[in-house]
Amino acid sequence: DGGITQSPKYLFRKEGQNVTLSCEQNLNHDAMYWYRQDPGQGLRLIYYSQIVNDFQKGDIAEGYSVSREKKESFPLTVTSAQKNPTAFYLCASSPMGTSSQETQYFGPGTRLLVL
Amino acid sequence: GENVEQHPSTLSVQEGDSAVIKCTYSDSASNYFPWYKQELGKRPQLIIDIRSNVGEKKDQRIAVTLNKTAKHFSLHITETQPEDSAVYFCAASRGTSYGKLTFGQGTILTVHP
Repeated sequence: DGGITQSPKYLFRKEGQNVTLSCEQNLNHDAMYWYRQDPGQGLRLIYYSQIVNDFQKGDIAEGYSVSREKKESFPLTVTSAQKNPTAFYLCASSPMGTSSQETQYFGPGTRLLVL
Repeated sequence: GENVEQHPSTLSVQEGDSAVIKCTYSDSASNYFPWYKQELGKRPQLIIDIRSNVGEKKDQRIAVTLNKTAKHFSLHITETQPEDSAVYFCAASRGTSYGKLTFGQGTILTVHP
């Protein structure tokens, strides 16, 4: 777990503003994921990436964008098109090609609040 | 796609009692089922997982059972302690190379001293 970091811990967004959440891992994991957590709804998948320069939409991708230019980094941008962005955002990573490839390890999260 | 239902949403027990949380899933191709524990404001931590070729797995006070025919799996915590108080999430995936997980809604477990 300690190999996945997210920043900032808290982020405030003004209406109409795009904000970017950082996620970095030094575990040499190939796959990375972004989840959104709202009270009483569990974790919902926003985007995931299996390899550099490739990513796939999850269940709630509208209003979000990602990039994967480096294996270690998977930033998430919350765009102004996301009308209800207040939530706890969790980044995760997992190895591939091993017996434990499904196991996902989470970062500490970023809490996004709208001003 | 996969749908995971988790019950109960809240569970309150006395210290030393057992706690059971149940999940059902819809995708018969799912074959990997992890359980995560999340303390308030913290990240989810994997506590136990099970794959479809196994019916039960145990780790000290925690056990998970899987019934593939009925498409449900359960978390069992014995001899509960106050530090077991947290939100518990079940999840399911096909165990593919990118391990896309679908999570249940979570169970708030409170263990009273």
